[in-house]
Amino acid sequence: GAGVSQTPSNKVTEKGKYVELRCDPISGHTALYWYRQSLGQGPEFLIYFQGTGAADDSGLPNDRFFAVRPEGSVSTLKIQRTERGDSAVYLCASSLNGGYEQFFGPGTRLTVL
Amino acid sequence: EDQVTQSPEALRLQEGESSSLNCSYTVSGLRGLFWYRQDPGKGPEFLFTLYSAGEEKEKERLKATLTKKESFLHITAPKPEDSATYLCAVQGHTSGTYKYIFGTGTRLKVLA
Repeated sequence: GAGVSQTPSNKVTEKGKYVELRCDPISGHTALYWYRQSLGQGPEFLIYFQGTGAADDSGLPNDRFFAVRPEGSVSTLKIQRTERGDSAVYLCASSLNGGYEQFFGPGTRLTVL
Repeated sequence: EDQVTQSPEALRLQEGESSSLNCSYTVSGLRGLFWYRQDPGKGPEFLFTLYSAGEEKEKERLKATLTKKESFLHITAPKPEDSATYLCAVQGHTSGTYKYIFGTGTRLKVLA
């Protein structure tokens, strides 16, 4: 079966621009997570969805970051007014339900020039 | 605050030379401890889940163990294809979330 997919695989943008990153979870997985990974670091939690609702958004660094999951499947992470410090790999993971093992996608590498 | 520390940061082994990676953690009630493998440019790949002290899991040349303060990933007779970054994560009993807290990983290089 298909794993978690993320698009685009790479995104280069200019400082101040708006970007959207997409995540397609494993079919049937109700829980979805976004993490951010900087070079040489472990993934850092951003937001957790259970179904359509954001159950925990405590990891979003500021109000420039926003994520949605309108139909309880695909999720989009949105970043406004990008800054160079936003450059990182953005990872999406899904699990059957909260508390189960999380399966990760390949990530989107975001570069802000 | 939940925290995970992995050591060593990097490890070079000769093929066949067994060793162990360490993951020390502090968490307000452990729901689970997870090991992942990450290859360059890829997302983390799930390896093991451990739930309680004394538990052990095995897969091929890898064996994960858990105590109340740390977990070990034992690699027996490693091969070059075992070269990767190994990540440890914990999930606590914080109400309303199932987020992982990750360590910074151990970069393993196995030389032929």
